[in-house]
Amino acid sequence: DTGVSQNPRHKITKRGQNVTFRCDPISEHNRLYWYRQTLGQGPEFLTYFQNEAQLEKSRLLSDRFSAERPKGSFSTLEIQRTEQGDSAMYLCASSKDSSYGYTFGSGTRLTVV
Amino acid sequence: AQSVTQPDIHITVSEGASLELRCNYSYGATPYLFWYVQSPGQGLQLLLKYFSGDTLVQGIKGFEAEFKRSQSSFNLRKPSVHWSDAAEYFCAVAVTSGTYKYIFGTGTRLKVLA
Repeated sequence: DTGVSQNPRHKITKRGQNVTFRCDPISEHNRLYWYRQTLGQGPEFLTYFQNEAQLEKSRLLSDRFSAERPKGSFSTLEIQRTEQGDSAMYLCASSKDSSYGYTFGSGTRLTVV
Repeated sequence: AQSVTQPDIHITVSEGASLELRCNYSYGATPYLFWYVQSPGQGLQLLLKYFSGDTLVQGIKGFEAEFKRSQSSFNLRKPSVHWSDAAEYFCAVAVTSGTYKYIFGTGTRLKVLA
């Protein structure tokens, strides 16, 4: 069990650029979640995958955001035309089934300048 | 609507003192409840969880929490705090239909005095 891996750990980008983050969940976990955490707040749900199917998206996930999980393994979260308000920690979590607590990755901290 | 409230934004305790972090939830069905800890710049680590059964649950690092349905609370406790416990603590409730997404509180930052 190598845990949930997220890359990169930090990303600084200029406003208007596109960024992509990657999450590698624990291998036998079929559930994968993305959360966003801003300073002084708890994480907020963005989207959920069961295997390769994206089953729920939060209203926080504007049309500039897209997430994929090809083949039900790793997942990517892309933000197009970044805005300063996108600056946050993006957390990925995975779970084997609903009776487990999530295992979170260390997150990707995005700074938009 | 489902929600989680952590009334204390900051708590300071002396090393060796006891600790209680408060969590109140609002959820219509039987809640699945969690406590996570986050060190600066890191992800969240699961401390303990409650699904059903015994209302006093034991977790890692000497933490425990008690589920009180009548008070809609799930408070986290530790009898003797160590300096390494300084971190931010989050309470969460799982939406138990479909996604099992979590709703988190805003967190309590714990400072430990030597």
